[in-house]
Amino acid sequence: SQQGEEDPQALSIQEGENATMNCSYKTSINNLQWYRQNSGRGLVHLILIRSNEREKHSGRLRVTLDTSKKSSSLLITASRAADTASYFCAGTSGSRLTFGEGTQLTVNP
Amino acid sequence: DTAVSQTPKYLVTQMGNDKSIKCEQNLGHDTMYWYKQDSKKFLKIMFSYNNKELIINETVPNRFSPKSPDKAHLNLHINSLELGDSAVYFCASSPGQGGVKLFFGSGTQLSVL
Repeated sequence: SQQGEEDPQALSIQEGENATMNCSYKTSINNLQWYRQNSGRGLVHLILIRSNEREKHSGRLRVTLDTSKKSSSLLITASRAADTASYFCAGTSGSRLTFGEGTQLTVNP
Repeated sequence: DTAVSQTPKYLVTQMGNDKSIKCEQNLGHDTMYWYKQDSKKFLKIMFSYNNKELIINETVPNRFSPKSPDKAHLNLHINSLELGDSAVYFCASSPGQGGVKLFFGSGTQLSVL
């Protein structure tokens, strides 16, 4: 069964604005990861947050995890046109990594 | 010097044919995967191998058969292709199992006519 559901499905913003994407999951996880997929390309790992962590930063990325609500959010600050891509959350349970449906982010120059 | 490479990038074929997709990783990883991404971009795991041993085998038709000749290679053979097999297939690898990040290939766009 699908691990993650993402919200919104599509997001369009202007360059320089912040973008927030949310992910909810159903079962217990060991960690949660976020990936980016540019059009026609493979997925690229962005950041991993462990189940005992609440917040993590990497450059312009900020990820939060609320295990009580089974949800995570990815914030991209000061967005750039090059951030245009699909973003996926993925939860790890045991040896299995299960992906959400993805959010299509469009950053307009 | 691509980390995870899969070939071909595009595969167009007729229903009923048999085709293979090859994947190789030069990262020294122990674990390799095949994922299927449908037209709505939903990614679903198909298979996972660790050191040539099958560890995840999702509910996939037995027309799909993975083969791992060594831990750097994981190929996917598909028999009797059907229209519903049309999708993008991604190979990935990771340094271990469970909770580690995956490195993806660039995908194979399979179109069954």
